[in-house]
This record gives sequence, C-alpha cells and structure tokens, in this order.
Amino acid sequence: RKEVEQDPGPFNVPEGATVAFNCTYSNSASQSFFWYRQDCRKEPKLLMSVYSSGNEDGRFTAQLNRASQYISLLIRDSKLSDSATYLCAVNGAGSYQLTFGKGTKLSVIP
Amino acid sequence: GAGVSQTPSNKVTEKGKYVELRCDPISGHTALYWYRQSLGQGPEFLIYFQGTGAADDSGLPNDRFFAVRPEGSVSTLKIQRTERGDSAVYLCASSLGSLQDTQYFGPGTRLTVL
Repeated sequence: RKEVEQDPGPFNVPEGATVAFNCTYSNSASQSFFWYRQDCRKEPKLLMSVYSSGNEDGRFTAQLNRASQYISLLIRDSKLSDSATYLCAVNGAGSYQLTFGKGTKLSVIP
Repeated sequence: GAGVSQTPSNKVTEKGKYVELRCDPISGHTALYWYRQSLGQGPEFLIYFQGTGAADDSGLPNDRFFAVRPEGSVSTLKIQRTERGDSAVYLCASSLGSLQDTQYFGPGTRLTVL
C-alpha cells in the first residue's frame, strides 16, 4: 500500500458544483496534514493545513479522520479558477519530509 | 516579499553529464528541502537541510545525487553521470524551520536528460 493515496481523477464538474476529494495515509504516526494546489507546469502552493478539529476557509473545508486515516477536501460553489491538481501531503512524527499523493486533477466546466 | 527562486528554469543535458541546480530560499528560512516530481506523480522528497547541515538525506536515490548548503542559505543539488531516468522537475522548498511550518515551493527546474 502506498503511503499516501488519493482519489484517481480527473474530476470534471460544472461551475457551482460541490466536489470532494479524499486522501488516505498509511502511517498512523503522521502528525501534520496539508492540501496543496498545483496549476499546470507550476509549483505546488499551500491551500490549507488540516487540523484535527477540521477547518474552513471560504468555499474550502478540510477534515481529518485519524481513526480511519484519511483527510478530505470539500470545495463548494466551484469556480473555473479552481481547475488545478490537488495534492495531499503528510509528514510523519518528528519528520520534516512531506509525503505527497499523486494528486487529483479537477476541471471545472462552464 | 521574494519567494523561493530556482535556476535554471530548464536544463537539457546529455546522458553521463554533470549538472548543478540552484535554489535560493526565502530570506530568513532556516529549513530547505529538495523534492523531485515526475510526470503524473506528486513531489518526492530528496533531502532536507536545517541551516548548513543535511538533517535528512534519506530520499536521495543513489550516490550520484549530492546537495550542499555551505552558508545556510543558497543550496545546490548536484547530479553526476546523469541518466535518462533523472529527467523530472526538481523542486526546492523552504520554511521557517519548525515542524509545523508551511513549506513554500520554488518554480522548479525542469531537467531533461537526452
């Protein structure tokens, strides 16, 4: 089993739709969790850190489920500008290295 | 302020050659990371520096890869005897230095080995 696995894409959704991505991780000692956004041929940019209590930033909501070892990202009212690849990233206990999933490509269609 | 910068943005080389990739982190960031991203994959960790020292080099694939950060700022990733399989985007990131701090990525160097 890979350390970090994401929903296979691509996700093609109409503008205004709600879309959810899941990401599972295998290391139960993982401590920090992140969602990054990566546009085509660009660097990853942090979208959100994911906290145990869940967190929301505008149209974006991130959740962590430690018991089932997964994190999720919910995007409400999708915009064309949300089209990108979404990467989840995890770092283990005491480890600075981030382990990334392969990413899920989202295309928001007019 | 200025973000992480990387040079060159593109590098084409021939199999067997030596290459150096440079990273200039955000000013004041003590932690610096190198990752490698192949097409269709997420970034893969290579090495992490805290100050001048390599704190974790467990991701370096073999001894052809080496990285330095002599003054605790700019870092250079060095690849000897390049192979076609080394072709990828090499990403550098920096952070303030604590475990929870956000890693900010540079634009990457796209390395193509012919």
